[in-house]
Amino acid sequence: ETGVTQTPRHLVMGMTNKKSLKCEQHLGHNAMYWYKQSAKKPLELMFVYSLEERVENNSVPSRFSPECPNSSHLFLHLHTLQPEDSALYLCASSQDLESPLHFGNGTRLTVT
Amino acid sequence: TQLLEQSPQFLSIQEGENLTVYCNSSSVFSSLQWYRQEPGEGPVLLVTVVTGGEVKKLKRLTFQFGDARKDSSLHITAAQPGDTGLYLCAGGRTNAGKSTFGDGTTLTVKP
Repeated sequence: ETGVTQTPRHLVMGMTNKKSLKCEQHLGHNAMYWYKQSAKKPLELMFVYSLEERVENNSVPSRFSPECPNSSHLFLHLHTLQPEDSALYLCASSQDLESPLHFGNGTRLTVT
Repeated sequence: TQLLEQSPQFLSIQEGENLTVYCNSSSVFSSLQWYRQEPGEGPVLLVTVVTGGEVKKLKRLTFQFGDARKDSSLHITAAQPGDTGLYLCAGGRTNAGKSTFGDGTTLTVKP
């Protein structure tokens, strides 16, 4: 079983849809992250949670809404997205905010 | 502002060749990580370096952290097709609580 599991692996949605991305970590880590990876761009940090409290929100549009119900689960709720939001969305976890990251395999999102 | 610059952006070599990729910054980092990402997967941590001048070896991969902790290099000896992937460096800054990623080097090793 992988340490960080993301579902779904692929998602195609229209601009008016509402969907959610799910991330689960089995490593006992205290911090969880959402990153966006677009072609020809560095990984962009979106949100950081530490001990279920949001500690970072990197000027992300409100059409992206994170939720961290417990230290093992992280969601990214999506609504009224734009085509430029199409990207690979990566979830990661770490023991604490200073430790290296363990990534899931991502959700490939396409907005039509 | 891009804090970490990686070079080259793309590198295509033949199996058996040696290569070095670089990660440079004008900022000091408390630690630096190297990750490898294969198509369809998330990045996987290769190494963390924390001390200026530190050298770490992982089989055919040699990682070095600059004396001033502003830059790092990754040297691969006798590259193999399995080394193909996107190599990312990420820097952590004291009390910053998050990693800053470079834009990566895409390595292709041809058989």
